[in-house]
Amino acid sequence: EVQLVESGGGLVQPGGSLRLSCATSGFTLSNYDMHWVRQPTGKGLEWVSVIGTAGDTYYPGSVKGRFTISRENAMNSLYLQMNSLRAGDTAVYYCARGRWYYGSGSYIVFDVWGPGTMVTVSS
Amino acid sequence: DIQMTQSPSSLSASVGDRVTITCQSSHHISKSLNWYQQRPGKAPKVLIYAASYLETGVPSRFSGTGSGTNFTFTISNLQPEDFATYYCQQYDDLFTFGPGTKVDIK
Repeated sequence: EVQLVESGGGLVQPGGSLRLSCATSGFTLSNYDMHWVRQPTGKGLEWVSVIGTAGDTYYPGSVKGRFTISRENAMNSLYLQMNSLRAGDTAVYYCARGRWYYGSGSYIVFDVWGPGTMVTVSS
Repeated sequence: DIQMTQSPSSLSASVGDRVTITCQSSHHISKSLNWYQQRPGKAPKVLIYAASYLETGVPSRFSGTGSGTNFTFTISNLQPEDFATYYCQQYDDLFTFGPGTKVDIK
């Protein structure tokens, strides 16, 4: 069974750091782009980062320079290092697998998601 | 950055109804748009990819159309398990989700 399970969430003070992990199973991690997506309580989804199969990384402006995504394929694990945390980073953080389709064009979906881990930034 | 808008932000409907949600992008994104369903306390689930293709295993009452900047998502014959929040997502330039549309019971 394909599965993602996040861990590492918790309460952290503003300006602090936290490292999230995503344990994967049931598929070959090295074959897939992997993403982090967050959701503040009662609000919508925000894409946070992607790491490609070649290790290329991308971020939106809201976290660029503060968050770092990485992967360890041999350990079937994905990570998100979060520094200089702010109250606005408080959210449930999901890891998600990116699956590409190739037909008349290239299409990508986030086809498998973990249950999420809660990060609270507060003093 | 590409911004996404959805309308309505919420709607009330009855079992058996036809429901339509629209999504608009700030830039032309061709057909680089997905639709997700999220039930309370659960992770999102992809329903439609590339604007109109049904993800494997998703019931045919879900459908999507559109290209460029304007997209539509439809649920025909609304079922009890369809009461949820729906998000569009563009992947033409990185990734952006729409703000969501909550479908609840009338």
